[in-house]
Amino acid sequence: DTGVSQNPRHKITKRGQNVTFRCDPISEHNRLYWYRQTLGQGPEFLTYFQNEAQLEKSRLLSDRFSAERPKGSFSTLEIQRTEQGDSAMYLCASSSLPEGGSDTQYFGPGTRLTVL
Amino acid sequence: GENVEQHPSTLSVQEGDSAVIKCTYSDSASNYFPWYKQELGKRPQLIIDIRSNVGEKKDQRIAVTLNKTAKHFSLHITETQPEDSAVYFCAASIRRGKLIFGQGTELSVKP
Repeated sequence: DTGVSQNPRHKITKRGQNVTFRCDPISEHNRLYWYRQTLGQGPEFLTYFQNEAQLEKSRLLSDRFSAERPKGSFSTLEIQRTEQGDSAMYLCASSSLPEGGSDTQYFGPGTRLTVL
Repeated sequence: GENVEQHPSTLSVQEGDSAVIKCTYSDSASNYFPWYKQELGKRPQLIIDIRSNVGEKKDQRIAVTLNKTAKHFSLHITETQPEDSAVYFCAASIRRGKLIFGQGTELSVKP
């Protein structure tokens, strides 16, 4: 499968714990996006990277959230001191810039986080 | 701020009928409008998209129309089939950046 992959698929944690999710984009896609989706809602933008540079971060994103893409390939999203309100599906998407690429964003299967 | 409104939130049609979902966006700089289909427990999948320099695009039973002046765009599905049942999301973006999604439409196609 050469699509976007995410790990783990499910994560259950206790309030106050830290969690980290990983996203592997489609090979050679230079843009990588993180979204959060709660039940019955559309995905909500969190942050995105072009190569290793973080270009935008949602103003709604608490400072407990941090994302990295150190080598411009895979990305990690860390949530510190988790709260019950962090329970959601965390989706990753990737796209390639034009000049032969497409601006279509392809989504991964998501990581479902449950905070007890 | 950036916002996309989507209507209706639920839509039930008989198999073979047409379905129309409408979205309105707030930022006039938006220039890319994709539609995603999401089945229960699965990832959003792109079904069609349109760019601001085009007024209409069609792919088999699916079409999208864009009215830049009114900042409206719509998804049209003809000859609906039970496998079209899913949640559909519209979205808008500026200069190939983040997607701003609508709230979703749960489409039910009854055999």
